[in-house]
Amino acid sequence: DVKVTQSSRYLVKRTGEKVFLECVQDMDHENMFWYRQDPGLGLRLIYFSYDVKMKEKGDIPEGYSVSREKKERFSLILESASTNQTSMYLCASSLSALTSYEQYFGPGTRLTVT
Amino acid sequence: KNEVEQSPQNLTAQEGEFITINCSYSVGISALHWLQQHPGGGIVSLFMLSSGKKKHGRLIATINIQEKHSSLHITASHPRDSAVYICVLIQGAQKLVFGQGTRLTINP
Repeated sequence: DVKVTQSSRYLVKRTGEKVFLECVQDMDHENMFWYRQDPGLGLRLIYFSYDVKMKEKGDIPEGYSVSREKKERFSLILESASTNQTSMYLCASSLSALTSYEQYFGPGTRLTVT
Repeated sequence: KNEVEQSPQNLTAQEGEFITINCSYSVGISALHWLQQHPGGGIVSLFMLSSGKKKHGRLIATINIQEKHSSLHITASHPRDSAVYICVLIQGAQKLVFGQGTRLTINP
């Protein structure tokens, strides 16, 4: 079974702090994704990566950056956290886009910025 | 107009009822994905389909590409089916469009 893990289930940070959210998958998937989910807005794509060191902006990349130094790990970075970044963050991975789009999700990190 | 619309937004039913959740869309797609999100936040992939029908246990998903419509059915619903169900459009190589979700509550 595919396993996608995220470093924290719950996180509380202060405004202006630098925040790292880590995601690890154990199935050698090429694609990895970061989403945020907010009430009434559904899931929105922040960034995705289709290979090591490769990244693409999603629909709402402002205020975020990402890092993919190893295939299994995709990090989401909030350079200077703000209260409007309080949200549920979900990581996902999938096989190569040429063969499968099915995404496997991690458990989510609920981030609160105070 | 949203590219994808799910209906209903909220659905409450009694245990044992047959459930239908709809997903209509207005764009060309290569496939459609149904996800289930439990109250704790975890998301599970239910189906990926590009034509016809798929069945897994009490769950059935259908898609009609010509009518741009997909349905998710649950037979003999159970309280553990209570979750948010999300349809996801897959366009091209990497574009994904998420529905708003349907919150299903099954009462015992």
